[in-house]
Amino acid sequence: DSGVTQTPKHLITATGQRVTLRCSPRSGDLSVYWYQQSLDQGLQFLIQYYNGEERAKGNILERFSAQQFPDLHSELNLSSLELGDSALYFCASSASGGADEQYFGPGTRLTVT
Amino acid sequence: AQTVTQSQPEMSVQEAETVTLSCTYDTSESDYYLFWYKQPPSRQMILVIRQEAYKQQNATENRFSVNFQKAAKSFSLKISDSQLGDAAMYFCAYRISNDMRFGAGTRLTVKP
Repeated sequence: DSGVTQTPKHLITATGQRVTLRCSPRSGDLSVYWYQQSLDQGLQFLIQYYNGEERAKGNILERFSAQQFPDLHSELNLSSLELGDSALYFCASSASGGADEQYFGPGTRLTVT
Repeated sequence: AQTVTQSQPEMSVQEAETVTLSCTYDTSESDYYLFWYKQPPSRQMILVIRQEAYKQQNATENRFSVNFQKAAKSFSLKISDSQLGDAAMYFCAYRISNDMRFGAGTRLTVKP
């Protein structure tokens, strides 16, 4: 158990819909990262937040957005969902947000039908 | 483009034997960090080992060690005394500044 929690574990929704994935980092960690793992694109970095502020952006689509709240939990919002958005979405956290070790959550499996 | 290449989609090893997983990367940066992550069937991503590019000494974590060749941009993972629990997907990754890139992964099978 990494100490990072993600909800829900599984999510099934239809194309065009909007969903929110939630992540709680390890106690004391200030930085949160979001990753997408799909069969065709592999594991891709989406976005990083540090202490409530966006720090880095990866291959995140404009239909996706994220935020980190004052209690340091984070949410990833996916809108206008397409079949290709079906993937495993991981959240990870680290203490300071630099090159320190990232601890991954168990992931949220999103299926878009 | 900065990329990470794992040329072995699948590898197999006999229990108690040693196996080496290959990884090469491409970057013009000099300051970066390299990682190997393990993803068992549970899909949880688990950090196996990390290496700072500025360190010449190869990192070691129990049965896991790396062969870091900075000039060749190579970062292979050696697993000694392989155990059944080592069976998983293994991902090589690097972190440069705030960017994290992963390879496509190598599926390791351990035969009893």
